[in-house]
Amino acid sequence: DAMVIQNPRYQVTQFGKPVTLSCSQTLNHNVMYWYQQKSSQAPKLLFHYYDKDFNNEADTPDNFQSRRPNTSFCFLDIRSPGLGDAAMYLCATSRAGFWLDEAFFGQGTRLTVV
Amino acid sequence: QKEVEQDPGPLSVPEGAIVSLNCTYSNSAFQYFMWYRQYSRKGPELLMYTYSSGNKEDGRFTAQVDKSSKYISLFIRDSQPSDSATYLCAMSRNTGNQFYFGTGTSLTVIP
Repeated sequence: DAMVIQNPRYQVTQFGKPVTLSCSQTLNHNVMYWYQQKSSQAPKLLFHYYDKDFNNEADTPDNFQSRRPNTSFCFLDIRSPGLGDAAMYLCATSRAGFWLDEAFFGQGTRLTVV
Repeated sequence: QKEVEQDPGPLSVPEGAIVSLNCTYSNSAFQYFMWYRQYSRKGPELLMYTYSSGNKEDGRFTAQVDKSSKYISLFIRDSQPSDSATYLCAMSRNTGNQFYFGTGTSLTVIP
């Protein structure tokens, strides 16, 4: 059973048109992450939530925003997608405060900007 | 200097071979070490995790961590065509911290 679910799996958006990607989890994990992964590159952390606390990476463009209305859901909003934002977007969760920490990933949303 | 370095490959081996995948890192504060397998167009799937130094074995997979050398390895025994994927190493300093990933090594196992 899928534990971290991302929707949609594939998203095509127009240049400059706002788009929202969603992530839900059934694990009740308190930490949720958004990563951007471009072809043949390591996943790059955009931001993460530790419970309700939002932690933005210093080099994440302002164009990227996130919302976490409750423990189970987290959204990635791209306000004005550019061609360079085409990538796989990965949502991950983890349990902070436990002795063993691992991240569980969703299947990703592949974003195409046209 | 990147936090985590990983040879991107590609690596091509015959079926049944032993595969060795490696990562080095620069931050001595890393305590949690993970290996993920990522098939094309899919999200990473956790394969192995270890805390601090030592070895861990799970079936055909063995993970090794050498903190003194800042070096981690994943060994795959009796490799199968279904093992063909990209293997990402990842590590973190503490629970709830961000995970730092290598760029991934692309592996092809030839039948």
